[in-house]
Order: sequence, then structure tokens, then C-alpha cells
Amino acid sequence: GAVVSQHPSRVICKSGTSVKIECRSLDFQATTMFWYRQFPKQSLMLMATSNEGSKATYEQGVEKDKFLINHASLTLSTLTVTSAHPEDSSFYICSAGGSYGYTFGSGTRLTVV
Amino acid sequence: KQEVTQIPAALSVPEGENLVLNCSFTDSAIYNLQWFRQDPGKGLTSLLLIQSSQREQTSGRLNASLDKSSGRSTLYIAASQPGDSATYLCAVGAGYNKLIFGAGTRLAVHP
Repeated sequence: GAVVSQHPSRVICKSGTSVKIECRSLDFQATTMFWYRQFPKQSLMLMATSNEGSKATYEQGVEKDKFLINHASLTLSTLTVTSAHPEDSSFYICSAGGSYGYTFGSGTRLTVV
Repeated sequence: KQEVTQIPAALSVPEGENLVLNCSFTDSAIYNLQWFRQDPGKGLTSLLLIQSSQREQTSGRLNASLDKSSGRSTLYIAASQPGDSATYLCAVGAGYNKLIFGAGTRLAVHP
């Protein structure tokens, strides 16, 4: 079946630095990928839709200059958290798919200290 | 705006019980509905996907139903086991392949 690989699984960074998270579709091409954020004991909130070869579409309230998304190929989307602050600490997870189902990456636990 | 609600928020049961997890959504114009399992600190595992034209799907001890007109879905787990302990998430497929999630039901099955 479809597999989405996400790296890193955990990252700790200092406040003010940037962190890049990768999401790869291993055995299929994904023209669209989705990035979610999940706070402890809360549900997943869609942050943005990543479109191959074009600009990402951000949900209301998500700062596009802070959460940079690049979808340069049909198998790779990246999310860069720029100038990270402690409030950005969260679980970030990507997915690919559509009306026939969705496959999720294993998630990235970001801790900003 | 589509809103998804899951009840109960948490559930603790002894092994062997049959369970029903509930999911409701405010806008019946959905493309599909999917149930996921999430283990602590992990990603999501897809359990069942119900297309908008379908009424239910079954996989092993799991059965999910969908009633679009009333905005409800249920996940039935038969003969629960400790390994079923996890958070169960309901998500509706909205436009542009977006998924809108409920807050989940945290299930604990004790021996």
C-alpha cells in the first residue's frame, strides 16, 4: 500500500532557529500533500495544502511566512518552521491522498527550547 | 463551517466488551468519512473509509456506519482487546481532498 515517510520523528531546537521537516511519498506520486498540527490531547488541525510546482494554500490563521512549504517534486514536500518559538512546539504530521483514502506520515515531535 | 464532534472523549472498559464510538458532523455535504487509530506520539493508521454513497464498512472486528442525512457515524469494536487501546479519530472528507478531524476518543481496554 501507499507509504508516506516523514523525517525527523523528533527534533529539539533553540528558540529563534529554523527547522525543516520532510514528507516523502515512497511508492506513489503525490501532487498534493497536507500538513497538520496537533497539540496534546487535541485533534489534528489542517495548516496548509502543499501543491507540487505551485504555492501552498494556507488555512486561515496560519502564518505563511513562518511555516514555509515547498513541494518541489511529486514525491517530496517540506515544512520549514522559521524563527521557532516555544509556542511552536507541537506534533506536525503530513499526509497524502484523496477520495480513495489518505496515508499519513509518522509525525514529527518538535520541541523548541 | 464543518465541525466534527466525537463522543465520548475518553472510555475505559474491561477486555471483551463490545464498544461504540460516536462521531457527528454539522454539514452533510461530505465526500467520505474515515476512521483512524493513533497510538501515543505516533502517526495515524487508517482503519475504515466510507464513501459518501456507502452506509457501512467492515474490517475484522471493526464496523463503521455512516448516516449522512443525520450527520452521524459510529465505529463498532467487537470483543475489545488491550491492544485496541489508542485514540480513535473520525475525519470527514471535505472539498479539495481536505480532512476535518474530530478531537478523538481515547480508549483504554484493561485486562
